Amino acid sequence: DAKTTQPPSMDCAEGRAANLPCNHSTISGNEYVYWYRQIHSQGPQYIIHGLKNNETNEMASLIITEDRKSSTLILPHATLRDTAVYYCIVKGETSGSRLTFGEGTQLTVNP
Amino acid sequence: EAGVAQSPRYKIIEKRQSVAFWCNPISGHATLYWYQQILGQGPKLLIQFQNNGVVDDSQLPKDRFSAERLKGVDSTLKIQPAKLEDSAVYLCASSFIRGAQETQYFGPGTRLLVL
Repeated sequence: DAKTTQPPSMDCAEGRAANLPCNHSTISGNEYVYWYRQIHSQGPQYIIHGLKNNETNEMASLIITEDRKSSTLILPHATLRDTAVYYCIVKGETSGSRLTFGEGTQLTVNP
Repeated sequence: EAGVAQSPRYKIIEKRQSVAFWCNPISGHATLYWYQQILGQGPKLLIQFQNNGVVDDSQLPKDRFSAERLKGVDSTLKIQPAKLEDSAVYLCASSFIRGAQETQYFGPGTRLLVL
């Protein structure tokens, strides 16, 4: 599976958009980009995933660059409850269902 | 919809003792996973079940860890004997397949402290 690189930490003001970057320069054509988050003392929570096109759901938007070497998770109006560790994961068919977590980005939303 | 249930939530044992964790996945989810999460790190997969069969246990320390999923529903993870470095959160997840991709749902985890 392709390796991902994320900044260790980010801050965001409450009510503003949080843009979390992820580099996955070795991604291959059949690998998806997944985002999960983990609020303190809870299990990880699925947010969104995509292959080539940008995706949006009720939680967030995922923007994938045309060359697919990087992506950005956007939380349009961050709240204090969005404070969590955000994991960007590349997942493909070769590893079956395995999610390989890195260390993620600690997002802190400040009042 | 009920989520993934795990018990106990916390466990403190001394090294060389045995411990077991229980997981009840979301109803209808055929795939079940156990992860280990050491403080400050992301979760690491220990074992994956499809129904009651093992799909991937390549990262399970088989000299001390064992897991089973009888009847393809509930699962237990056991450590015997425990070492200090087993102190971690043990997460259970289950999944369903939608199209070609899969979403995993995680339980709250069991926090283990080995003294």
